[in-house]
Amino acid sequence: LAKTTQPISMDSYEGQEVNITCSHNNIATNDYITWYQQFPSQGPRFIIQGYKTKVTNEVASLFIPADRKSSTLSLPRVSLSDTAVYYCLVGDGAYKYIFGTGTRLKVLA
Amino acid sequence: GAVVSQHPSWVICKSGTSVKIECRSLDFQATTMFWYRQFPKQSLMLMATSNEGSKATYEQGVEKDKFLINHASLTLSTLTVTSAHPEDSSFYICSARELAGAYEQYFGPGTRLTVT
Repeated sequence: LAKTTQPISMDSYEGQEVNITCSHNNIATNDYITWYQQFPSQGPRFIIQGYKTKVTNEVASLFIPADRKSSTLSLPRVSLSDTAVYYCLVGDGAYKYIFGTGTRLKVLA
Repeated sequence: GAVVSQHPSWVICKSGTSVKIECRSLDFQATTMFWYRQFPKQSLMLMATSNEGSKATYEQGVEKDKFLINHASLTLSTLTVTSAHPEDSSFYICSARELAGAYEQYFGPGTRLTVT
């Protein structure tokens, strides 16, 4: 199982773009990279998933370099409601996910 | 999108009693469900992997006789905390993987267990 490493916490201001990088050096060929968001006392919520290059949806972008040993979640123009913990997970979904520490993002007014 | 529900959303029980938590996939079939536990300010910790029709696989350090898991159908898995103690108080979250489709797990909203 690929281990992930993320910054423990980040602060940002409203309206700024936030980039959270995740390191996953031993990612396997079949593994996808998935990011989840979690608010207190709620289950994780799917944000975005990718395999390589760049993926964009209505809430975020995911950048994955060619070697796939890291990935960056980009949140454009964050608001106070984006304050949450963000988890980077690596796996093929068919098997268990091991959650790392996650990144606690705090958006300031 | 795929929805996973949990019931109850919160429960308070007395020490020594047992409590059952249900995890349902509402609009898809799930061959595999996962159970996690999360303590305040900590990450999710995988407890066990539940496969429909077979015994659950428990992570190291998780007592299988204390945390009974049953996955009787493709839409329902249950976690029973037996002889609960205050240290079992935690946030329990399940996730489910679709029978077919993209490699993604869908998480339930969680169940807050408080043992008094």
